[in-house]
This record gives sequence, structure tokens and C-alpha cells, in this order.
Amino acid sequence: DTEVTQTPKHLVMGMTNKKSLKCEQHMGHRAMYWYKQKAKKPPELMFVYSYEKLSINESVPSRFSPECPNSSLLNLHLHALQPEDSALYLCASSHRGLAFGDNSPLHFGNGTRLTVT
Amino acid sequence: KQEVTQIPAALSVPEGENLVLNCSFTDSAIYNLQWFRQDPGKGLTSLLLIQSSQREQTSGRLNASLDKSSGRSTLYIAASQPGDSATYLCAVKGKQGGSEKLVFGKGTKLTVNP
Repeated sequence: DTEVTQTPKHLVMGMTNKKSLKCEQHMGHRAMYWYKQKAKKPPELMFVYSYEKLSINESVPSRFSPECPNSSLLNLHLHALQPEDSALYLCASSHRGLAFGDNSPLHFGNGTRLTVT
Repeated sequence: KQEVTQIPAALSVPEGENLVLNCSFTDSAIYNLQWFRQDPGKGLTSLLLIQSSQREQTSGRLNASLDKSSGRSTLYIAASQPGDSATYLCAVKGKQGGSEKLVFGKGTKLTVNP
């Protein structure tokens, strides 16, 4: 069982819908990440939050909007997505974060399988 | 720009065989290297993390080595089992564009046949 919990496991949405992906961890980690993974490809970094502040945005389109309400929760708000945004969205956490000399391992959730119709 | 390569892309072995997965990276200025396992449609499970100052790490039947100067890491799996079938990804953490980032390889898909 993973210690990073993502909901929902599966999501189908139309291009005009607004939906949110949720991620939760209770390991006391202060860094949380969103990755996007297309089939047969490695994960691609989207956003990093360190101590509840956005520290990295990998030039992600504005139709993806991250939010970190507290150190345990991470959301990804979706609006006006395109079919090519269909992918597995992975959340991860680590002790302190990439920009803080953190050499601890990343812990991943099981992901949300998103299909945009 | 850091590039991570994993060879082979796919590997099929009979149960009980010992095997080695390879990972190479182009920039040796890394902080650490992490091996993950991914089952189909699932997230990534961390297997082993090797700091840049370390040469190897062991966990059960798994042993990972790191040769930073040559830009190589191997993941050794002893006495393979069908349950080991998965995609194995390596990722290196280094500085890129002023930020510390984790760069993944494309993975090796392992099939262990009973």
C-alpha cells in the first residue's frame, strides 16, 4: 500500500468540464509534486511545492492549476482540457523538496487515470 | 542537459535467473540515483536510493550499484520471480536550469516467466 493517496483513481471528463485531482500524504513531508505520464513514457514533472509554496512550474499550460492548501494536501484543478491531456497523473512527496538539498527518496501515489473526451 | 538511458528496453527471463538492468546518465554531477518499480497502470514504488557518495545499496534480492564517474548504475535482481515482472525506472537527481530536478529514464520492462 502506498502512503501517498490519490483520488479519484479514474476520471473521465469533457473538454468543457472543470474537475480536480486530489493527493494526500501523512508522512510529514514538506515537498509535494505533480507528474504527468503518458503510456510507455517516463513521468514528466509538472509542479513542485515546497513548504506550501510553488517552487517549480515546468511551463505547464494554465488549464492545469495546482493548489497546496496545507502540507498534507495537494490539488490539481483542471479546466478546458484537451484530449491530448489524457494521461496518468502522479502525485509524489519527499522530505523537504528538490530545492532544499533534500536527498530523500520520492514516494509516489498510484495515480489518477484521466481521460479527456 | 541530463539524459538518462536504460538498456535493454525489455527483458524476458525464466524464473530463478539472476539478472542485471542498466542505467546510464550523461552528467555525472548528480546528487543521488533512485530505482523505481512500476506495475501496469499503477504509480511508482521506490526500490533503492543511492547517494552520490555511495557505491551500492542492497534490499533483499535487489542490489543497486553506482559508478558516478562513468555515469552508470546497475540494478541486480537475484533469483527472479514472476512477481518481479514490472517496468523498472531509474531516475537521477541533479541541477538543471538552476533547479534541482529528477530526470527519468524510459524504463526496462521485465517479464519473468514461470
